[in-house]
Amino acid sequence: EAQVTQNPRYLITVTGKKLTVTCSQNMNHEYMSWYRQDPGLGLRQIYYSMNVEVTDKGDVPEGYKVSRKEKRNFPLILESPSPNQTSLYFCASSFIGGTEAFFGQGTRLTVV
Amino acid sequence: AQRVTQPEKLLSVFKGAPVELKCNYSYSGSPELFWYVQYSRQRLQLLLRHISRESIKGFTADLNKGETSFHLKKPFAQEEDSAMYYCALSMEAGNTGKLIFGQGTTLQVKP
Repeated sequence: EAQVTQNPRYLITVTGKKLTVTCSQNMNHEYMSWYRQDPGLGLRQIYYSMNVEVTDKGDVPEGYKVSRKEKRNFPLILESPSPNQTSLYFCASSFIGGTEAFFGQGTRLTVV
Repeated sequence: AQRVTQPEKLLSVFKGAPVELKCNYSYSGSPELFWYVQYSRQRLQLLLRHISRESIKGFTADLNKGETSFHLKKPFAQEEDSAMYYCALSMEAGNTGKLIFGQGTTLQVKP
C-alpha cells in the first residue's frame, strides 16, 4: 500500500533529551516535508526537502534538524526539545509537478 | 507575506443545510489553491484543487482572484462531512512540497 509512515505515533519526553521522529514513504516521491499542527495556528512547515541531500527551512525551523540521506526517509531531529515544541507533527511527501501531498498519520509529541 | 486565512474556527450546521467554508489568501503571484480534509482519527487528505475544477463528495470551490478567495461550498451538508478542513496555497504550480495552510475550520454537521 502506498503511504507515508511516521514513528512513533505518540511520544512523551523530558526537556533536553534528544529525540528523532522518523518518516518513510514508499512512493518514490521527491518532495518530503515536516509540519507542526497547533490549535488556532493550523499547519506550519518546519523543513522540506526537494530530493536527496537537498533540504530547506520552512516557516518555523528553530529547534529542529532534518536530513535526507535516502529518498524514502526524512527524519525530524529535536536536539534539545523544549515544552514549546509540544505539538502534533505531520510528515508529507509528493512528486515534483504532482497534484497532491500525501500525509502521514501524525506524531503527537509532549515535552515536559 | 504569503498568508491563508480561514476566519471561522468552527462552523456548525444542520444536516441538509448549505455549507460555505471561507478561505482568503494573500499572494501577489499566481497561486495554486487546495482544500484538505482531516476526518476524525484519519490522516490529512486532499479534497480538491482549484485547477481541476471538479466536485468531490458534493463540494466545490471556485478561485476568485479579484477577491483573493477560495471558498468551499456544498449545497446540502451530510453528517459524514463533519471534519477539520484546511485551505492551502502553493506559490509554484506543481510544487506541493511547500504548502501554506490556513488555521483550519471544524465543520460540525448536526442530525
